[in-house]
Amino acid sequence: GAVVSQHPSWVICKSGTSVKIECRSLDFQATTMFWYRQFPKQSLMLMATSNEGSKATYEQGVEKDKFLINHASLTLSTLTVTSAHPEDSSFYICSAITGATEAFFGQGTRLTVV
Amino acid sequence: KQEVTQIPAALSVPEGENLVLNCSFTDSAIYNLQWFRQDPGKGLTSLLLIQSSQREQTSGRLNASLDKSSGRSTLYIAASQPGDSATYLCAANTDKLIFGTGTRLQVFP
Repeated sequence: GAVVSQHPSWVICKSGTSVKIECRSLDFQATTMFWYRQFPKQSLMLMATSNEGSKATYEQGVEKDKFLINHASLTLSTLTVTSAHPEDSSFYICSAITGATEAFFGQGTRLTVV
Repeated sequence: KQEVTQIPAALSVPEGENLVLNCSFTDSAIYNLQWFRQDPGKGLTSLLLIQSSQREQTSGRLNASLDKSSGRSTLYIAASQPGDSATYLCAANTDKLIFGTGTRLQVFP
């Protein structure tokens, strides 16, 4: 299947700093990418839908100014957690999809804010 | 708004049993439905993808069925093994991929 690479796989940062997570589709062009977060022992919650060249669509309750999403090309989307706080510590995972086909997922990023 | 629920939330069975995991979704206008497994602290492993026009898909000991009109999908696991222990997630794809609540499966020897 297609490969989606997510980087970094884990990151520890100080409270108040910003962290950028990259999601790349390595062997296909992704018209749409999704960003999820997952708290321990919970399911994946959709944060936003990102389409190449346009603004991301955020789910209700997700702060767009805190979670900046950029989808600059058909193979790259980034999520920046700005002014991170301990409550932002979570597992973040991206997904890439083309049309109504199978979704492929990155390996996930475990963010710990201290 | 699409809502996806899974029953049961947790399941603990002895090795060798045949299992049924259920997934329900409220918006039947889906493109497809996927089943995933997730091991603790890890990412997702795709198991099966069922397109909206299909009724079922099989891979090894896994079989997934889809009844779009009733908003249901079922994952059958035959002859369960301890290595099957994981959390199983279904996800319904409309214009967004929405995940279910998950079933935490433990298979003991």
